[in-house]
Amino acid sequence: GQQVMQIPQYQHVQEGEDFTTYCNSSTTLSNIQWYKQRPGGHPVFLIQLVKSGEVKKQKRLTFQFGEAKKNSSLHITATQTTDVGTYFCAGGGTGNQFYFGTGTSLTVIP
Amino acid sequence: GAVVSQHPSRVICKSGTSVKIECRSLDFQATTMFWYRQFPKQSLMLMATSNEGSKATYEQGVEKDKFLINHASLTLSTLTVTSAHPEDSSFYICSATTDPANSGYTFGSGTRLTVV
Repeated sequence: GQQVMQIPQYQHVQEGEDFTTYCNSSTTLSNIQWYKQRPGGHPVFLIQLVKSGEVKKQKRLTFQFGEAKKNSSLHITATQTTDVGTYFCAGGGTGNQFYFGTGTSLTVIP
Repeated sequence: GAVVSQHPSRVICKSGTSVKIECRSLDFQATTMFWYRQFPKQSLMLMATSNEGSKATYEQGVEKDKFLINHASLTLSTLTVTSAHPEDSSFYICSATTDPANSGYTFGSGTRLTVV
């Protein structure tokens, strides 16, 4: 399957600080999805990006899809303790499959 | 919204036995379901695509005789781990979707398999 890498692997921030995770694919992606997984839970869909250079916002979360459709980022402004979890990007394959990135585990220190 | 139910949530079995995991779409029909495996603090690895009424499509490196997938109806896919060994211990999770563009993939709650 595709290789989808995310950095950083872990991130600890003070509550109120910003957070960004970066997703890079070895191949061009048809689209990209972002998920959040709380400890002990299952992934929950956040958003899908399809167009080159697309930017979408959800309250304090900003998602970007690179011009070449090989990278993406998720930025959280003013983190809160409820933002704790692992954030995964997932790149679309040739069918309906999605290949998950390596994930970034976010810890927010109150 | 779409709901995916997975059962059992936890199972402990002895080496050499087989374990069946069920994944059900409760309020929609899913012609395609996906099975993932997740090791502690690692990402989800796509194992196979389950296709209703036809053979599953396995990802490279996944043994199809080891991980049997059956998708006999539009609401049920099963994953059977055959002749389980301790190295098969993992978190197995399924997913399906009605509208990938807007609602993404809905995941089941996962099955924690421990082989002793």
